Amino acid sequence: KNEVEQSPQNLTAQEGEFITINCSYSVGISALHWLQQHPGGGIVSLFMLSSGKKKHGRLIATINIQEKHSSLHITASHPRDSAVYICAVIPYMDSNYQLIWGAGTKLIIKP
Amino acid sequence: DGGITQSPKYLFRKEGQNVTLSCEQNLNHDAMYWYRQDPGQGLRLIYYSQIVNDFQKGDIAEGYSVSREKKESFPLTVTSAQKNPTAFYLCASSIPGQGIRRMNNSPLHFGNGTRLTVT
Repeated sequence: KNEVEQSPQNLTAQEGEFITINCSYSVGISALHWLQQHPGGGIVSLFMLSSGKKKHGRLIATINIQEKHSSLHITASHPRDSAVYICAVIPYMDSNYQLIWGAGTKLIIKP
Repeated sequence: DGGITQSPKYLFRKEGQNVTLSCEQNLNHDAMYWYRQDPGQGLRLIYYSQIVNDFQKGDIAEGYSVSREKKESFPLTVTSAQKNPTAFYLCASSIPGQGIRRMNNSPLHFGNGTRLTVT
């Protein structure tokens, strides 16, 4: 069983829809990343969070440490949001603070 | 603008040949990382370096080698010993720190990747 599970694996939606991508993990963590991988392959860090909620523009990330679960929401989705969204966690007891990565959620927003 | 440059974007090699992937950063970051990405899988760490002239093996180091002679550069060599080298390779950098607080203000910065095809 993977230590970081994302759902869904693939998501296709219409422009304007509210999008939710989920990330569940099985280890104690010190922080969680959400990242975006563009179709060309480059990866951009969107959020790092260890508690509560963060918002940047139309993106909102939440985390529930007790339930070992995080969600990434996109409001008023747009075709330019089409990308792979990746969740990664830092295990709490990992002295090297190396990330454990989810396999990603491929999002396609149709106009 | 500061960033990470990986070159080339696409690389083709014959089986049995060593190949070196370039990664250069001008962010003044101490830590650099090499990841491998395969379809349907999460990123896997190959090697990382927290400081010049020092590096450690990641989860899948077999068949790979690195060097860190300069802070700005962390080249990855895919050797002929790597059984399945065809993949997408990503380089990243960050500011390392002490303790858990590191991650509160030091995200990973990635290059655009190199897609290696070995036939």
